[in-house]
Amino acid sequence: ELKVEQNPLFLSMQEGKNYTIYCNYSTTSDRLYWYRQDPGKSLESLFVLLSNGAVKQEGRLMASLDTKARLSTLHITAAVHDLSATYFCAVDTAKTGTASKLTFGTGTRLQVTL
Amino acid sequence: SQTIHQWPATLVQPVGSPLSLECTVEGTSNPNLYWYRQAAGRGLQLLFYSVGIGQISSEVPQNLSASRPQDRQFILSSKKLLLSDSGFYLCAWSPRYGTPRTGELFFGEGSRLTVL
Repeated sequence: ELKVEQNPLFLSMQEGKNYTIYCNYSTTSDRLYWYRQDPGKSLESLFVLLSNGAVKQEGRLMASLDTKARLSTLHITAAVHDLSATYFCAVDTAKTGTASKLTFGTGTRLQVTL
Repeated sequence: SQTIHQWPATLVQPVGSPLSLECTVEGTSNPNLYWYRQAAGRGLQLLFYSVGIGQISSEVPQNLSASRPQDRQFILSSKKLLLSDSGFYLCAWSPRYGTPRTGELFFGEGSRLTVL
């Protein structure tokens, strides 16, 4: 059974600080996604990582993928309050040419304090 | 541009009552469609997905069923709700064709179901 584990599960950090969220998964895959969820809301796509060594950056967030280590990271630079949300990674285990089958991690609840 | 709509947004139902949640996608054809459930404080669990009209794949045996009567319509149903059916239900779509196929899912706004 595929396991997708995130750590930490909860992160409280001050504005201006840097931190990294880790996503480990237990099966071979080269397609990994990061989503953001605000309280009571749906999921918003942040990053799509489709190969080993892929790195994507948007604003204060940067995501990377190491398929050999089965590890993805979401790095937060100089956090601001607006980044407070729950962040999910998801791994696609579907065969090429078929419908996506995303397995989501447990989520990391990020709270940025002033 | 593509949009996805779910309704109702909020639903409170008694145990044993039926359920119907609807999802429609606009601005695209032949999408793959998905139903996920998020229990309170938990991650997302894939319930059903569909690659075409009338084609439903179930991921988890449960008290729910899904149907796809039209290309861009996906319905989640139950004949008799259980307490454990409470949760946040999310419909999503992904492009079936086109290059590149990233596998990325695009989610609707969700339907929050409380079974009492």
